[in-house]
Amino acid sequence: EAGVAQSPRYKIIEKRQSVAFWCNPISGHATLYWYQQILGQGPKLLIQFQNNGVVDDSQLPKDRFSAERLKGVDSTLKIQPAKLEDSAVYLCASSPGARAHQETQYFGPGTRLLVL
Amino acid sequence: TQLLEQSPQFLSIQEGENLTVYCNSSSVFSSLQWYRQEPGEGPVLLVTVVTGGEVKKLKRLTFQFGDARKDSSLHITAAQPGDTGLYLCAGTPYTGGFKTIFGAGTRLFVKA
Repeated sequence: EAGVAQSPRYKIIEKRQSVAFWCNPISGHATLYWYQQILGQGPKLLIQFQNNGVVDDSQLPKDRFSAERLKGVDSTLKIQPAKLEDSAVYLCASSPGARAHQETQYFGPGTRLLVL
Repeated sequence: TQLLEQSPQFLSIQEGENLTVYCNSSSVFSSLQWYRQEPGEGPVLLVTVVTGGEVKKLKRLTFQFGDARKDSSLHITAAQPGDTGLYLCAGTPYTGGFKTIFGAGTRLFVKA
């Protein structure tokens, strides 16, 4: 079974530029998560989708971050414009069904973003 | 604020030693998970504990969930260099909806 795929693996941009990350979850998984992991910290949930609906986006900086999950499969996370403090690893994860809080989350390898 | 505090932050030990890392909170959790993350990779789930007082064993790893469901520990017996990595605890607090929160992790380095 293929795991969670993310691209690109690395991205370097200048502040105020835009960037987009892509995630392809495990086939059939209903729940998709985007996390931000700053160096030395644990992952912080940015947004959680159940199929193509948003379950939680309380920690998403909505003035600059946006995410969508069209057709309840792939997802993209966009930052526009980027700030220095956005430098982090962006992790995508998926889990099978509706009881997400008790299910195993499967993580992708992450996209490492450096904002200069 | 529902925080998971992990200790120690960093641990460097010799191969064959035993160690325990801790995950503590003032909040009650419906479940706690332990993940291991290697450089350049995403976290991988090791175990989920659900019942207060529960103990689970995974080869040389022993996980315990506190009776009050506010804390957990991970004990590694006879550590090996392959155990090196970032150990993260994560949980879903009863009052946090379905959001999973992560601790900052314990970075373990096992020297051969």
